[in-house]
Amino acid sequence: GNSVTQMEGPVTLSEEAFLTINCTYTATGYPSLFWYVQYPGEGLQLLLKATKADDKGSNKGFEATYRKETTSFHLEKGSVQVSDSAVYFCALNQAGTALIFGKGTTLSVSS
Amino acid sequence: EAGVAQSPRYKIIEKRQSVAFWCNPISGHATLYWYQQILGQGPKLLIQFQNNGVVDDSQLPKDRFSAERLKGVDSTLKIQPAKLEDSAVYLCASSLAGQDTGELFFGEGSRLTVL
Repeated sequence: GNSVTQMEGPVTLSEEAFLTINCTYTATGYPSLFWYVQYPGEGLQLLLKATKADDKGSNKGFEATYRKETTSFHLEKGSVQVSDSAVYFCALNQAGTALIFGKGTTLSVSS
Repeated sequence: EAGVAQSPRYKIIEKRQSVAFWCNPISGHATLYWYQQILGQGPKLLIQFQNNGVVDDSQLPKDRFSAERLKGVDSTLKIQPAKLEDSAVYLCASSLAGQDTGELFFGEGSRLTVL
């Protein structure tokens, strides 16, 4: 069945450091891929998405590129801020099926 | 625009007791979801409604969990009787048009502890 695997956390960085959170997936066909974020005390919210191979999703300085050849959708940001501290979830879906989430990666950024 | 509202935020019960969670989705969102998020895991879909009809309840443990959305707006998720392994955060989400776009709007969740 379809699944998503994320790198284990927590990830601890200093402000302005470069961030990568790895995500790989297993799916038949061509899923859509997503990153959701959960800030402390808030609900999950969509950060970015990509619906086909080689698409790049971007938002708030974060980027992720849909790589079909490596079945990956790694999240990157060039310079993290304290306000980026949150839990990040990679997810996928295919038409007519439920969103499948990874286990989440906790990011802590210190000043 | 008001977000997805859930209550209660926290609930502690003993095993074999019952509990109910309530969700009010974003106005105009026809699709409503209940997810279960166990500590250290990603959210898992329990049930999806389109208006007041069930679209997917394949992962809902129907011997103890039930959910309804009688008027196509608010929804209630009930657990009876609760087990220790039901300790989790129960997330409600809504969307305009199903999950095909992948954009779901989540509430803050209801954290259940079963002792």
